[in-house]
Amino acid sequence: AQSVSQHNHHVILSEAASLELGCNYSYGGTVNLFWYVQYPGQHLQLLLKYFSGDPLVKGIKGFEAEFIKSKFSFNLRKPSVQWSDTAEYFCAVNANSGAGSYQLTFGKGTKLSVIP
Amino acid sequence: GAVVSQHPSWVICKSGTSVKIECRSLDFQATTMFWYRQFPKQSLMLMATSNEGSKATYEQGVEKDKFLINHASLTLSTLTVTSAHPEDSSFYICSAKLTPDSNQPQHFGDGTRLSIL
Repeated sequence: AQSVSQHNHHVILSEAASLELGCNYSYGGTVNLFWYVQYPGQHLQLLLKYFSGDPLVKGIKGFEAEFIKSKFSFNLRKPSVQWSDTAEYFCAVNANSGAGSYQLTFGKGTKLSVIP
Repeated sequence: GAVVSQHPSWVICKSGTSVKIECRSLDFQATTMFWYRQFPKQSLMLMATSNEGSKATYEQGVEKDKFLINHASLTLSTLTVTSAHPEDSSFYICSAKLTPDSNQPQHFGDGTRLSIL
């Protein structure tokens, strides 16, 4: 079974600081990788995803993530955060469960607080 | 597009009652829907996967008779928590996919906060 580990529970940054949120997964097979964001009071939204090809993936709102297969990592980055990036970020892995439904396994989430 | 509506958003009820949560895909047909549960400061845990017209597949440790899932149409799945107890209090989130294909992202509802007194 796959598992996902997010290293930071809560990250506090000032506006314009650079962001990197760690995500490691454990699964020996082929995976699809996702980052979801949940703004206060809103539902989970897809930020970006990796299926294949270029390991550097660009998502919405200036976010990007890099898939490093040898490290089983998929860290999320943003060069300069804004107050509006305050949210909770979830890394997720999608591997074939064998039932064909490709279930998602989530990390515990990282809460990002950006101070104006 | 790809909006998933979950209802109710918050429910408080007495111990022993049954609670039904609805998950609807508003602008697409979802062959597969997922139900998750989230405890405070923990990750989303998959409870079950439901495919339209067939029985749900439950994750290990999830009681089928406790958490009844019905996916009767391509736009509606329901989760019924039967004889709910305080330990069932949690945040329940559904998601929907157009097809089971792994290349399709999941679209999430807003979640339902269930509080059992």
